[in-house]
Amino acid sequence: GQQVMQIPQYQHVQEGEDFTTYCNSSTTLSNIQWYKQRPGGHPVFLIQLVKSGEVKKQKRLTFQFGEAKKNSSLHITATQTTDVGTYFCAGIFSQRSNDYKLSFGAGTTVTVRA
Amino acid sequence: NAGVTQTPKFRILKIGQSMTLQCAQDMNHNYMYWYRQDPGMGLKLIYYSVGAGITDKGEVPNGYNVSRSTTEDFPLRLELAAPSQTSVYFCASSRTSGRGIEQFFGPGTRLTVL
Repeated sequence: GQQVMQIPQYQHVQEGEDFTTYCNSSTTLSNIQWYKQRPGGHPVFLIQLVKSGEVKKQKRLTFQFGEAKKNSSLHITATQTTDVGTYFCAGIFSQRSNDYKLSFGAGTTVTVRA
Repeated sequence: NAGVTQTPKFRILKIGQSMTLQCAQDMNHNYMYWYRQDPGMGLKLIYYSVGAGITDKGEVPNGYNVSRSTTEDFPLRLELAAPSQTSVYFCASSRTSGRGIEQFFGPGTRLTVL
């Protein structure tokens, strides 16, 4: 079936450093969403990307959607301990306007060394 | 608004037992979803509903059943619990206006089948 692959699975980061997590699909996505899950918590929506080549920023987080709409990335600058958690990308493959089913990547679990 | 609520928070079942995981939302969302989350595997869609009286299978529906008699409630039924159903279960909801709308997740139910 249609899947979204996410790498790396784990990211150990020194506080203050930058890192990037990547999301890839073999088929074109209608749009892509990013969620964050803190340890022991539930996924919380971060952002949605819809347009080819779209770039959005939220403070230290930069989200990109590839030109072919088959990949996406999340880049975090100057990592802080509050960034700890698992980041999921979730894509919608269907082109139907009333189909909202998300296919989640396996997530990137981020730990931060102080 | 309470958002999406789930009960119970934790449950231990014996093989072959049955139970219902409750989910309710007070945001008047038409779309509701059930996911399971296994370690390192992301979220897998079990069932979803686009409105009261309408349900459909997701990626991993075997061993589960759902019903949607009201907009607010979307219970998930496990008829004959198996160890493979040990997981964390998340319910989510979303509104329907626009395209690719964010999903709001409940706090989850941690289920162990022994």
